[in-house]
Amino acid sequence: GESVGLHLPTLSVQEGDNSIINCAYSNSASDYFIWYKQESGKGPQFIIDIRSNMDKRQGQRVTVLLNKTVKHLSLQIAATQPGDSAVYFCAEVGYSGGGADGLTFGKGTHLIIQP
Amino acid sequence: GAGVSQSPSNKVTEKGKDVELRCDPISGHTALYWYRQSLGQGLEFLIYFQGNSAPDKSGLPSDRFSAERTGGSVSTLTIQRTQQEDSAVYLCASSLWGSNQPQHFGDGTRLSIL
Repeated sequence: GESVGLHLPTLSVQEGDNSIINCAYSNSASDYFIWYKQESGKGPQFIIDIRSNMDKRQGQRVTVLLNKTVKHLSLQIAATQPGDSAVYFCAEVGYSGGGADGLTFGKGTHLIIQP
Repeated sequence: GAGVSQSPSNKVTEKGKDVELRCDPISGHTALYWYRQSLGQGLEFLIYFQGNSAPDKSGLPSDRFSAERTGGSVSTLTIQRTQQEDSAVYLCASSLWGSNQPQHFGDGTRLSIL
């Protein structure tokens, strides 16, 4: 089946620096993507989403970029803080029958913020 | 709280026993999803409900797994004759129905099969 995957399993960043987490997807029909943050012992927490008719969306300290030409998604976190340390997943939403099917997740990138 | 609630948070049981996991979605969310997360892995989609019906059960790992949802709210995931490979965190999510609705997750049930 088609999948969503991440380029780097671990990313270490100095506190205060910006970080970029990348994700490749293979299903060209995908039209909705979500980034989640997961801390140890917790469920995934919604960060930001983007539809395929957009190439950029900004939130608080986060920006998601979508490049449909190369099927690439990235999450930029500005001015990283210790609380940003977590595993980040990109996810692709599949659809059937007009409703939402399950998410297809990549394996995740572990972001480590160093003091 | 207004988030997705799952119980129990932890469950340890012997191989061969049946277990039942519960999910209480966010009020008003008609779509409900079950996922499994093995140690150090991403999330594996199992099943989803729109209201009380589950259009697609093909994600369930085996016929020992079943799920139901009654009253369009609480859902239970049942694993019969548990095996050690069933050990994982079972996560539930809910969302509003329709296109481009983000799924919101509970903190999961950590299942350990001895």
